[in-house]
Amino acid sequence: AQKVTQAQTEISVVEKEDVTLDCVYETRDTTYYLFWYKQPPSGELVFLIRRNSFDEQNEISGRYSWNFQKSTSSFNFTITASQVVDSAVYFCALSGVERYNQGGKLIFGQGTELSVKP
Amino acid sequence: NAGVTQTPKFRVLKTGQSMTLLCAQDMNHEYMYWYRQDPGMGLRLIHYSVGEGTTAKGEVPDGYNVSRLKKQNFLLGLESAAPSQTSVYFCASSYSYRDSPGPEQFFGPGTRLTVL
Repeated sequence: AQKVTQAQTEISVVEKEDVTLDCVYETRDTTYYLFWYKQPPSGELVFLIRRNSFDEQNEISGRYSWNFQKSTSSFNFTITASQVVDSAVYFCALSGVERYNQGGKLIFGQGTELSVKP
Repeated sequence: NAGVTQTPKFRVLKTGQSMTLLCAQDMNHEYMYWYRQDPGMGLRLIHYSVGEGTTAKGEVPDGYNVSRLKKQNFLLGLESAAPSQTSVYFCASSYSYRDSPGPEQFFGPGTRLTVL
């Protein structure tokens, strides 16, 4: 069975602090895909990143960075110098290999609510 | 280019009433999905479709039906609404695995449904 765990339910930081959101996943697939989505207070889901299981290179995009470690089945997300606009719920998600035309179903974690205070 | 749109945005139903949520996408995506979001549980897949005329059950399909008569539309129906179906419903679409392995999903703005 596939599973995604985001153990941090809520995190509160002060602006300009760095913050890391943890994501641990379980899958038996050797090929799989990991995602992060952001859900701001307005409610929509915004795609942030996709990473496949064969690419363990860390990725940086501006103040955002992602650390993928297959050895610990983790795909953590770090925001450097956080800003109030980063306040949102962040979801980690997993998609396995498509089987028998089953579609790219996403398994979501429970989400981490990040609050950045000025 | 509107992306994924959902109708309606809000709805209040009484127990036992029925309704249909409409999802439309203009990106020519093959796959479409319906999720529900409940506090502390992330998003859970209700039903999905891998092409026009096809539908399949997801993780929590009970109490819902779906139809995909046109490629761009995916309808979610509640035949007899129950308070347990109070939730926020998200529709999503994506390319197929054939076109883009591990495709990202594009989400609609959501529908907030309350069943009294």
